[in-house]
Amino acid sequence: DAGVIQSPRHEVTEMGQEVTLRCKPISGHNSLFWYRQTMMRGLELLIYFNNNVPIDDSGMPEDRFSAKMPNASFSTLKIQPSEPRDSAVYFCASNRQDEKLFFGSGTQLSVL
Amino acid sequence: AQSVTQPDIHITVSEGASLELRCNYSYGATPYLFWYVQSPGQGLQLLLKYFSGDTLVQGIKGFEAEFKRSQSSFNLRKPSVHWSDAAEYFCAVGGHSGNTPLVFGKGTRLSVIA
Repeated sequence: DAGVIQSPRHEVTEMGQEVTLRCKPISGHNSLFWYRQTMMRGLELLIYFNNNVPIDDSGMPEDRFSAKMPNASFSTLKIQPSEPRDSAVYFCASNRQDEKLFFGSGTQLSVL
Repeated sequence: AQSVTQPDIHITVSEGASLELRCNYSYGATPYLFWYVQSPGQGLQLLLKYFSGDTLVQGIKGFEAEFKRSQSSFNLRKPSVHWSDAAEYFCAVGGHSGNTPLVFGKGTRLSVIA
């Protein structure tokens, strides 16, 4: 299995631009999580899906952030418009119920 | 609300020395507890987990952790550290109900010196 696949690995953009982060979970996993990692706040849960349905998006910082999971093998996290304070590493993770969480390698986002 | 505290931001140990990384949690019921390791530029990898039963759990790479309910702690230990253990270590707590998300501590960065 290729593991959780995230793209792009690195994204550099200018303030105000739209950013789309992508995630392909491990086949057969029914839950998907988006986390953001910064030095100041550590790993924060943004949103998670069970069976493609968003369960809890209370961690999404503001309306500029949105996430979708149109099918079991794909999810996106979109920031529109982006701001410098959105610069962070964004991780996608997936699992099957009660099993361990597998993380992708992350997307390093820099908003200038 | 559940939370995890890792009191040590950065620890430096000599190669071959023993290691203990501290983790305290707050959770309303019996928790699931985890330790993850993150190497630079990589995602997190599970070292070990505690669900129930024996409070001393063994993980990969020679790590172990002990669940102490009375102290709300789940400290990670290794008897002899190798240079390759230098990384960031995260403690996490989760619930028993299906795919509930994990709450992570802010991590402890481990440096290993010769």
